[in-house]
Amino acid sequence: EAQVTQNPRYLITVTGKKLTVTCSQNMNHEYMSWYRQDPGLGLRQIYYSMNVEVTDKGDVPEGYKVSRKEKRNFPLILESPSPNQTSLYFCASSPTRPGHNEQFFGPGTRLTVL
Amino acid sequence: KQEVTQIPAALSVPEGENLVLNCSFTDSAIYNLQWFRQDPGKGLTSLLLIQSSQREQTSGRLNASLDKSSGRSTLYIAASQPGDSATYLCVFFDGSARQLTFGSGTQLTVLP
Repeated sequence: EAQVTQNPRYLITVTGKKLTVTCSQNMNHEYMSWYRQDPGLGLRQIYYSMNVEVTDKGDVPEGYKVSRKEKRNFPLILESPSPNQTSLYFCASSPTRPGHNEQFFGPGTRLTVL
Repeated sequence: KQEVTQIPAALSVPEGENLVLNCSFTDSAIYNLQWFRQDPGKGLTSLLLIQSSQREQTSGRLNASLDKSSGRSTLYIAASQPGDSATYLCVFFDGSARQLTFGSGTQLTVLP
């Protein structure tokens, strides 16, 4: 089944403890991206990747890192999480840049930073 | 930077009604847009994608239109059903087709 998977789905952690949220797609998509969704602010893009080894900042990249070493995976790294990073995170992918194709979203990761 | 507004923020209708959800944007230099639905606690499901050169797209009971001159897109849902209850989001792709801007969503409730 073609899909975008994220792990973990739920995570509670403490300030300063490094964490990684994984994202994987099995559709051979070139474009992948991360978003966070917050009440009243909607969905905002954190980082995106046009292809392997090509990443770029979105609207709210501060406090996050990403890597794209292989086409299928696009992990989101929080080196030193803070409470203001408590949010619902979505990973998405599309065959090429999103303007040409539909985007496919993962199920989301709900992160709480205490 | 593109600003996207969705009105109304919430809508409640009885089953069977036809309804229109609105999405307005400030920068007409869009590449295209996509409508999604989001169910509580779940991810986003793509509904329709409209390229900038198109004026509308249809899928089943859904019809989405795009009017760049007026800065508006509408999602028309015919004969609404309780299963249509969800939050509907419009998403704009900018001219470089790299960055996306999401609307804040319309929360739709269809009452049986």
